[in-house]
Amino acid sequence: NAGVTQTPKFRILKIGQSMTLQCTQDMNHNYMYWYRQDPGMGLKLIYYSVGAGITDKGEVPNGYNVSRSTTEDFPLRLELAAPSQTSVYFCASSYSKETQYFGPGTRLLVL
Amino acid sequence: AQSVAQPEDQVNVAEGNPLTVKCTYSVSGNPYLFWYVQYPNRGLQFLLKYITGDNLVKGSYGFEAEFNKSQTSFHLKKPSALVSDSALYFCAVREKDSSYKLIFGSGTRLLVRP
Repeated sequence: NAGVTQTPKFRILKIGQSMTLQCTQDMNHNYMYWYRQDPGMGLKLIYYSVGAGITDKGEVPNGYNVSRSTTEDFPLRLELAAPSQTSVYFCASSYSKETQYFGPGTRLLVL
Repeated sequence: AQSVAQPEDQVNVAEGNPLTVKCTYSVSGNPYLFWYVQYPNRGLQFLLKYITGDNLVKGSYGFEAEFNKSQTSFHLKKPSALVSDSALYFCAVREKDSSYKLIFGSGTRLLVRP
């Protein structure tokens, strides 16, 4: 199993550009999550999904959108990139409400 | 509201010495508690969890954690530190009867000196 994979590893965006961060898991987990990690801070939940077709907002959803058309994939969309979205983004998945397994992260720089 | 506190930004310890990374939590119900480790430029890796049962939980790489309900703490410990244990450690909590949300602490950087 590859576990949770994320692409790209690193990206530089200009203000106002859009992009999609990809996340795929091969563990058949029903729960998936997107977090952002800012320097010196813990992880903040952006969006989560409890199954295909079901998504909901976390703590910091503004400026982001998600979709969940399949069990495996949970892409995160940034429509109008802003400097405040410079961060490291982690995708995670879990079979139940317990242990979450994380991807390697996407480092995003918005200039 | 749920919250997690990791009072130390950094913990320094010599190789071979015991280490403790502190975590206190606040939840209204029974907690699920987790420790994760993050190595440079990597994602978080699960170390151990407390759901119920024995207060002393054993996890990966020789780490263990002690759940103390009266002190609302879940400190991470290891009897003998290795240089390779140097990393960023996160404590996280979830209410047992809530849905999905994990609340993370701000992290503690562990530096093990040779």
